[in-house]
Order: sequence, then C-alpha cells, then structure tokens
Amino acid sequence: DIVLTQSPGILSLSPGERVTLSCRASQSVSDNYLSWHQQKPGQPPRLLIYGASSRAAGIPDRFTGSGSGTDFTLTISRLEPEDFAVYYCQQYGISLPYTFGRGTKLEIK
Amino acid sequence: QVQLQQWGAGLLKTSETLSLTCAVYGGSPNIYYWNWIRQSPGKGLEWIGEINHVGRIKFNPSLRSRVTMSIDTSKNQFSLKLNSVTAADTAIYYCPLYYHIGAPLTDSWDQGSLVTVSS
Repeated sequence: DIVLTQSPGILSLSPGERVTLSCRASQSVSDNYLSWHQQKPGQPPRLLIYGASSRAAGIPDRFTGSGSGTDFTLTISRLEPEDFAVYYCQQYGISLPYTFGRGTKLEIK
Repeated sequence: QVQLQQWGAGLLKTSETLSLTCAVYGGSPNIYYWNWIRQSPGKGLEWIGEINHVGRIKFNPSLRSRVTMSIDTSKNQFSLKLNSVTAADTAIYYCPLYYHIGAPLTDSWDQGSLVTVSS
C-alpha cells in the first residue's frame, strides 16, 4: 500500500494567515492522482483538489494544490474562519488500494 | 444538485453481513466514480471500493474477499455487502459520488451511516 504521511499533524493559525500543508507518499503516485479533502466536525469530507492541482467545482481560488511524484502540498493563501478543519490527502492511482493520509488539523490560534 | 441518501442496518453481531444501499437524487451524471469509504477513530479514512460509469469495479485488496458491490442504474442505487463482520468493521460508512457535470470534478456525500459490530 502507498502510505501517505501528512505534516504537521496540528497547526494553530489565525484567520488571514497563509498555510502550506504537506503530503508525502511512500512511492510515486501514478499520474499525480492525488486529491485533498476537507472535513469539518460532524460532516463528511469534501473534495477540494484532484489531480494534484485541479480545483473541484465551487472551491475558492485561495486553495491551491501542487506537487508531483511523492511530494504534494495544499496551500491556503489567506485563511477564512470556515477553513479551520481537518485536511486529508488521498492517492487514487493504479496502485490499489486508494489510501488516505491521517490528516492535518487546522485550529484557530 | 446531486444528493445521496444511504440506508441499512446500523447494529450487527460478529459474523453477520453488513448491507448498505445508497441512492442518488437530483441528477444522473454521465461520468462518475461511486465509492464506499469508511471512517473510524483507529484507522482513519479507509477506502473500500469503487464502481465507475463504464462498470469498472475496484476493491481494496484487504477487504476483497468479503465485499460485494453492485449498482442498479435503473434505480440510481449503489449497494455494499460486507460479510463476516467483526468489531474491526465498526465505522461510519460513506458512499461518495465523484462526478463531472462540465469540466471540473465534483463530489456529493451522504451524511454517513454508523455501523456498530458487537459480539
């Protein structure tokens, strides 16, 4: 299985700040099939980014995904109050199973 | 706006079969990837399997021997069966639909079903 390591585990930030989340894969993710999901308490996850850098429909442009191979990042250019949540990366390439990272929690400082 | 609704038994005993059904309302995307994903405090998010619009089915190899997935396109329903359940299968089960209407991919999730397995 491809293991996805997300760092850091928890980040304490203030609204308005810029943040970059990291996701490192134990082996190369084929075709950069790497997505990012956001999950708020009591809600299901929501797709933000797919294909490493494509925004899902309706996702604000303050969310930017980048990376390739084994190293991927999600950048939020300016944190809004509604962005404080847990963020998961997922690989969905040819190597089964699809796997998720353990998540990075953004909390309000 | 595509919406999902899921139903099935929420309390099972060890060795029973988990059976969940998910229905889509409000649209029939031509290009879609219908997944089953579960979430538990111990394992986090775990992918179970996927069926896409051309009927290709993928399974998590670790669950493959116990999982049956099927789709009824006439009813816009997607079903999951997981047999021989144990306490390790206790989780919230989701049936997210990833789909294209226009260029960007989007998703729709149900609220999830808590399935508890006890002895």
